[in-house]
Amino acid sequence: KAGVTQTPRYLIKTRGQQVTLSCSPISGHRSVSWYQQTPGQGLQFLFEYFSETQRNKGNFPGRFSGRQFSNSRSEMNVSTLELGDSALYLCASSLGIGEVPTSSGANVLTFGAGSRLTVL
Amino acid sequence: GENVEQHPSTLSVQEGDSAVIKCTYSDSASNYFPWYKQELGKRPQLIIDIRSNVGEKKDQRIAVTLNKTAKHFSLHITETQPEDSAVYFCAASRGQGDTGFQKLVFGTGTRLLVSP
Repeated sequence: KAGVTQTPRYLIKTRGQQVTLSCSPISGHRSVSWYQQTPGQGLQFLFEYFSETQRNKGNFPGRFSGRQFSNSRSEMNVSTLELGDSALYLCASSLGIGEVPTSSGANVLTFGAGSRLTVL
Repeated sequence: GENVEQHPSTLSVQEGDSAVIKCTYSDSASNYFPWYKQELGKRPQLIIDIRSNVGEKKDQRIAVTLNKTAKHFSLHITETQPEDSAVYFCAASRGQGDTGFQKLVFGTGTRLLVSP
């Protein structure tokens, strides 16, 4: 089955602009989480969506937002870009229901390849 | 909140040697500890995980041990091969009831280099 797909893979923006990133989860997965990966801060949780609702949120400013559509695809948006927003943005999908995680592997997070954002 | 510390930050070994990466976590309620491998330019991929009700788990050359009392968990790779070269991340999380959600808190990563 197809994995987690993120688009675009690379993009360059300038300070003050906004950007929208897309994530298509594995078929049947209803939970989509977003992480920011930077050399200095490592992997940090942004937010998680399930059934079109944000269920959990990390400690990022309001410039970072997201949404999820009825087909479970998710987008994240960053407004008023800053140089420090340059990072690899990873999304991960999982079933999103039931105990986490089961010995069968259900609810294990599967990551996409990421969208590398460069802010100039 | 949860904090995960990972050591060492870099590890160089000769092919065939063993490699050990150690992590400590702060939240005693954490109950799930996955390890991800990220090769250069690629996505993190789960290589092994362990739940808090298990002390050790093995999968071929890879093993993970968990000491809940000390809040330590470790990744052990035996008979290392050049293709094991990558950045390894440990993580910890605790379940959110039956929501199936896990907010992974990651360590800072260990760059493993296996020389032929």
